[in-house]
Order: sequence, then structure tokens, then C-alpha cells
Amino acid sequence: NAGVTQTPKFQVLKTGQSMTLQCAQDMNHNSMYWYRQDPGMGLRLIYYSASEGTTDKGEVPNGYNVSRLNKREFSLRLESAAPSQTSVYFCASSEDQGSSGRLYNEQFFGPGTRLTVL
Amino acid sequence: LAKTTQPISMDSYEGQEVNITCSHNNIATNDYITWYQQFPSQGPRFIIQGYKTKVTNEVASLFIPADRKSSTLSLPRVSLSDTAVYYCLVKGPGGGNKLTFGTGTQLKVEL
Repeated sequence: NAGVTQTPKFQVLKTGQSMTLQCAQDMNHNSMYWYRQDPGMGLRLIYYSASEGTTDKGEVPNGYNVSRLNKREFSLRLESAAPSQTSVYFCASSEDQGSSGRLYNEQFFGPGTRLTVL
Repeated sequence: LAKTTQPISMDSYEGQEVNITCSHNNIATNDYITWYQQFPSQGPRFIIQGYKTKVTNEVASLFIPADRKSSTLSLPRVSLSDTAVYYCLVKGPGGGNKLTFGTGTQLKVEL
């Protein structure tokens, strides 16, 4: 199993450009998440999806859109990139809450996408 | 979500035992305590989870006192490869599976 995969690994954009970050998981998880991590900071939740066809805002959703294409894939789109969106983006997935017994908080993370907006 | 407080950084030497304490004074009855590890340029990785007393796995031990207002992650005989950021999270079954990561504890292990 590949776990959680993300593409691309690196990306440089100019201000105003758009792009989509792709994420896929092969663990049959219902829940998927997008986080951003700025230098020296913890992760902040952008959006999450509890199941196929549903999405919900996290702590920092402004400037982003998401699509839960199917159970495996959850994409993050920047419609008009800004320098403030320069960050490392992590995708994660997890089983349904409680479905694995007491492991409520076990999320599996991808390797990240390092995005620079000039 | 319960707020957690942990040291910003810790230094240690190879072979020593490292204990990282996390304070969570307003932990709720149904909350579990979970620790993640993050290496540079990688996503966080689940290490251990507990509710009370002591939990041990192949990576670490987690000590939780009876009042559950704090917890201690114990890493036995650390090596250079244990240099990472360690996050303490507290959350229960309510409100979805959204996690809040603080800034964590940067552990630096030296020779």
C-alpha cells in the first residue's frame, strides 16, 4: 500500500496563478484532510471531508477550494495564489471516528507539497 | 478542544531517556491523549495514544496521572534519528475527527 500520496512535491507559482494539489489514499478511509504548515509553526486545518461528497471548512479556509472526487481522492485548489499561501501542504486521511476502537486521532499523512508563491 | 501546553524545545544526548510533558488542564471526560512525531520535510506520524495510566508500544511510553491534567511522553534511549518535533493532542469522539496541532516540542538529540 502506498498510503497517502500527494502531487506535486514542489511547485512555484506567480501571484494570481491557479493550481490544484492532488491527494489520494489507498487505505479505504472515509475521512480526508488538508493542512498547511508555515515555517516553525504547527499544522493548521484548511478543509476536511468526512465522506465522499461532503466537505467542511477548517481553521484557515479562505483562498482555497476543495473537491472530494471519490473516496480515494481529495484535491485542494488555489484559484488566485498569493504570497501568503507560501507553505507546505499536507494531506491526511483517517478511518471513521471510533471505527478502530480507541484510536480516535490516528491520521495518516502524505509527504507534503512545498509551494512557493512569488 | 482542550488546549495543550508543552515545552518549545528540549535537548538530549544519544542513549538518554527523554520525557516530554504536556499540560491539558481542561481535558474532557471522553478525551484521549495522542502524540505525533514529525521529522523535517515529512508529515506527522502517529506515535501513541492513551486515556489513563500507562501505555507502551515499540516506540514510546505514555504516562497519564489519575487526574489526567497532564501526560508525559517517554522515549527510551534516544538516538540521533529521534530528532523531531513532537505534538501532544487531546480530543474525544465528539465534533468530528478534526485535530488541532500546536507548535509542538522540538527535540534535538546530539552525540
